[in-house]
Amino acid sequence: GAVVSQHPSRVICKSGTSVKIECRSLDFQATTMFWYRQFPKQSLMLMATSNEGSKATYEQGVEKDKFLINHASLTLSTLTVTSAHPEDSSFYICSAALSASYGETQYFGPGTRLLVL
Amino acid sequence: GESVGLHLPTLSVQEGDNSIINCAYSNSASDYFIWYKQESGKGPQFIIDIRSNMDKRQGQRVTVLLNKTVKHLSLQIAATQPGDSAVYFCAESNNNAGNMLTFGGGTRLMVKP
Repeated sequence: GAVVSQHPSRVICKSGTSVKIECRSLDFQATTMFWYRQFPKQSLMLMATSNEGSKATYEQGVEKDKFLINHASLTLSTLTVTSAHPEDSSFYICSAALSASYGETQYFGPGTRLLVL
Repeated sequence: GESVGLHLPTLSVQEGDNSIINCAYSNSASDYFIWYKQESGKGPQFIIDIRSNMDKRQGQRVTVLLNKTVKHLSLQIAATQPGDSAVYFCAESNNNAGNMLTFGGGTRLMVKP
């Protein structure tokens, strides 16, 4: 089946630094990738949708200048948390899909645990 | 706004018993539903899905029931095993939103040996 990886799996950083998280589709070309954030004991909340070669679409309340998304190739999307603060500590999960069409399956990555000190 | 939610935050069952996890949704336009299993520290894992033109779908040890009248779906797990212990999420989609998913709040299933 389709495999999506994330790197790193865990990261600890100091407040004020930037952290980059990679999401890769290993065996298929993902035109569309989604980025979710999940706080402890809560559900997945969609942050943004990225389409290869175009600007990401951010959900209401998500700062695009703080959460930079780049989807430069059909197998890689990156999320950069800029000037991270403790409240950004969360579990970040990406998913990848062949397209954004209705019914197209999202394949989820294993998540990245971010801890900002 | 529109949301997908769950009735029970935690469900504890005895190994071997059947489990039923419920989900309510409010978006009447929702026509595609998915159940995911998430183990601690991992990403969601697809379990089973159902479209609105069906009211029941069965997989291996799992069954999803959809009641569009009351906007409710459930996940039934037969002969629950310790490996089924996880958080279960329902998610919904509709063709106005492409393949975007809205996730429910999640239910933690605890299986007692």
